[in-house]
Amino acid sequence: GQNIDQPTEMTATEGAIVQINCTYQTSGFNGLFWYQQHAGEAPTFLSYNVLDGLEEKGRFSSFLSRSKGYSYLLLKELQMKDSASYLCAVMDSNYQLIWGAGTKLIIKP
Amino acid sequence: GAVVSQHPSWVICKSGTSVKIECRSLDFQATTMFWYRQFPKQSLMLMATSNEGSKATYEQGVEKDKFLINHASLTLSTLTVTSAHPEDSSFYICSARGTSERNEQFFGPGTRLTVL
Repeated sequence: GQNIDQPTEMTATEGAIVQINCTYQTSGFNGLFWYQQHAGEAPTFLSYNVLDGLEEKGRFSSFLSRSKGYSYLLLKELQMKDSASYLCAVMDSNYQLIWGAGTKLIIKP
Repeated sequence: GAVVSQHPSWVICKSGTSVKIECRSLDFQATTMFWYRQFPKQSLMLMATSNEGSKATYEQGVEKDKFLINHASLTLSTLTVTSAHPEDSSFYICSARGTSERNEQFFGPGTRLTVL
């Protein structure tokens, strides 16, 4: 079956760095997405990786290793507004998104 | 990025009534639209996938007669919850995919449905 695993919840301190991991097993691979979702709102796109390596975009970076079925989202200089759920999703061979359950990130002052 | 709108943002209705939710891609043509449901503190659950001009493909366990999906044009899809009951209360989110290289899905803002 298809499976996406990510931690349920993480806590970090304002100004610090946090890494949210995601491992996956899917039928085919056409890219991995990270989305941010604040409570009561729809997900918003953060990053897309289809090749191995690190993609940096401001305070957020995303890494992919296809051979290991592994990705992480790195958030630097954490701000209180970064408190949200972070969703990892893999596009399978049918171009369908397979969603992880999300990681709730709690930022403390 | 591309913009997807949803209407209404929230709706409260009596049990037994039908509710229609619209999803529009505002600045691109959506070849495929997706309908998700999300219960509190849970992940997104894909309900169905629809391609313009063809019947929607429903996920296992989703009643096609209860959740009617119409994708009549490349910019509009509708979800009708027929004979809604309190257990249908949820956050319904649509997303649309165009023809970009990375097949990215763009999400609407969601519709919160409360059935009394």
